[in-house]
Amino acid sequence: DTAVSQTPKYLVTQMGNDKSIKCEQNLGHDTMYWYKQDSKKFLKIMFSYNNKELIINETVPNRFSPKSPDKAHLNLHINSLELGDSAVYFCASSPTGQGGNQPQHFGDGTRLSIL
Amino acid sequence: GNSVTQMEGPVTLSEEAFLTINCTYTATGYPSLFWYVQYPGEGLQLLLKATKADDKGSNKGFEATYRKETTSFHLEKGSVQVSDSAVYFCHNAGGTSYGKLTFGQGTILTVHP
Repeated sequence: DTAVSQTPKYLVTQMGNDKSIKCEQNLGHDTMYWYKQDSKKFLKIMFSYNNKELIINETVPNRFSPKSPDKAHLNLHINSLELGDSAVYFCASSPTGQGGNQPQHFGDGTRLSIL
Repeated sequence: GNSVTQMEGPVTLSEEAFLTINCTYTATGYPSLFWYVQYPGEGLQLLLKATKADDKGSNKGFEATYRKETTSFHLEKGSVQVSDSAVYFCHNAGGTSYGKLTFGQGTILTVHP
């Protein structure tokens, strides 16, 4: 059973479109995250939710909007996609709301390509 | 604040060579430190961790010791294999609730036969 699953795995779309990426975890964790990984493998946190509440919101364009319907799901909606949004987006979860001392479990990523 | 500085790559080694990837951290409080590995086309996986000073994390032949005096958590392996080719990330989990989460910039390791 997949612990952290993201869909879709690949997403190819045109500039200006709106798209969503879904994430679900079946580990019973309280905290979920979204990361963006660029072509040089640099990993940048975008958002973190604990029990459906936003706890980390890094400097991310407001075209990106996370939504957590319950603590097992954290979706990412992106409006008006731009070329610079091309990247791999990772969802992750961790077992506590402490934001710290527990390891994170990652999904396999969503590879977003903007044409 | 909490952060890590990770050795820049890429690193290219021959099979059976010794590996060191440097990681130093800054912290307020006493964060747990982690190394993650990312194989091609996959997400990050926990490789090893250490939760306090002088702890040594180990897994799959990799080791790292949490050194408070040098604020370091260097990753080492005595004899690398081709299958170790991956991207390695140092992570400072932060010592306070809802603290910043910080990953190093990643080190790309390629091991040749």
